[in-house]
Amino acid sequence: DVVMTQFPLSLPVTLGRPASISCRSSQSLLYSDGNTYLNWFQQRPGQSPRRLIYRASNRDSGVPDRFTGSGSGTDFTLKISRVEAEDVGVYYCMQGTHWPRTFGQGTKLEIE
Amino acid sequence: EVQLVESGGGLVQPGGSLKLSCAASGFTFSDFWMSWVRQTPGKGLEWVGNINQDESRRDYANSVKGRFTISRDNAEHSLYLQMNSLRVEDTAVYYCARDQDYIDYWGQGTLVTVSS
Repeated sequence: DVVMTQFPLSLPVTLGRPASISCRSSQSLLYSDGNTYLNWFQQRPGQSPRRLIYRASNRDSGVPDRFTGSGSGTDFTLKISRVEAEDVGVYYCMQGTHWPRTFGQGTKLEIE
Repeated sequence: EVQLVESGGGLVQPGGSLKLSCAASGFTFSDFWMSWVRQTPGKGLEWVGNINQDESRRDYANSVKGRFTISRDNAEHSLYLQMNSLRVEDTAVYYCARDQDYIDYWGQGTLVTVSS
């Protein structure tokens, strides 16, 4: 199975400051159709996951533009330009290129 | 608004069976693949399996293959997960999810506890 490694696992951030989460895959996520199937999810405390980004860099409808996904091959990043209180939670990357789809272990974002 | 509502979770003994249901609304259910994903504090998120629109294709994680069966009823806008030969390690919150670009919407989850 493709291993998805996120870092850091814990991310304390000051309100209004930027934040960055990295996700590395054990194999390239570039699929034969030219797409890269890497998603980012946010899970707020007590809630189910919500998708933020699909195909590495496409923001879902309703997701604030302070969230940006980037990367290719095996290295991906989720950036938050200015952290707000509602951003507290755990962030997961997930790959769909290889069977079975696998998730990163999660990065817990908290406010300092 | 897309809504997915799971039900059927509970406490079951090892070796027992349980069937989860997921009621879908807010979209044309019959147009989409659907997935089940589970979450545990120890192992995090794990994809369980999925099913295509007309039930002609189903796929399962190795950890549940041969024990779990996914089905759907498009007329009832419902997804199901039949879980047999349950093990302690199957204890998790089980989420129903719409499979658009490898999972977009998730339900609120239902807790399955396998314990004697």
